[in-house]
Amino acid sequence: GQNIDQPTEMTATEGAIVQINCTYQTSGFNGLFWYQQHAGEAPTFLSYNVLDGLEEKGRFSSFLSRSKGYSYLLLKELQMKDSASYLCAVLDSNYQLIWGAGTKLIIKP
Amino acid sequence: GAVVSQHPSWVICKSGTSVKIECRSLDFQATTMFWYRQFPKQSLMLMATSNEGSKATYEQGVEKDKFLINHASLTLSTLTVTSAHPEDSSFYICSARDGTDTSPLHFGNGTRLTVT
Repeated sequence: GQNIDQPTEMTATEGAIVQINCTYQTSGFNGLFWYQQHAGEAPTFLSYNVLDGLEEKGRFSSFLSRSKGYSYLLLKELQMKDSASYLCAVLDSNYQLIWGAGTKLIIKP
Repeated sequence: GAVVSQHPSWVICKSGTSVKIECRSLDFQATTMFWYRQFPKQSLMLMATSNEGSKATYEQGVEKDKFLINHASLTLSTLTVTSAHPEDSSFYICSARDGTDTSPLHFGNGTRLTVT
């Protein structure tokens, strides 16, 4: 079966750095997405990786290793507004999105 | 660009009634739209894929006669929850891609449905 694993919850301090990991086992691979979802709101797109390596976009970076079935989202200079759930999703061989359960990130002052 | 608008944002209805949710792509055409449901503290669950001009494709376990989907134009898809019951209370979100299959999904703001 297809499976995506990410931690349920993480806590970090304002101003610090946090890394949210995602491992996947899917039928084929056509890319991996990270989305941010604030409570009670719809998800918003953060990043897309299809090749190995690190993609940097401001305070947020996303890394992919296809051979390891592994990705992480790195958030720097954490702000209180970064408190949200972060969803990892993989496009399988049929271009179907397989969603992880999400990681709830709690930022403390 | 790539804005998806969803209406209403929230709705409260009585058990047994029907509720229609609209999803519009405002600045692009979407031949395919995706309807998700999300229960509290859970991830997104794909309910169905809405196809313009043809029947929707429903995920396993989703009743097509209960969740009616109509995609009559390239910018509008509707989801009707028929004979709603309290267990249908959830957060319903539509989404669409502006581009190829590898383009990111753009989500509507979601509809909070409460059935009393």
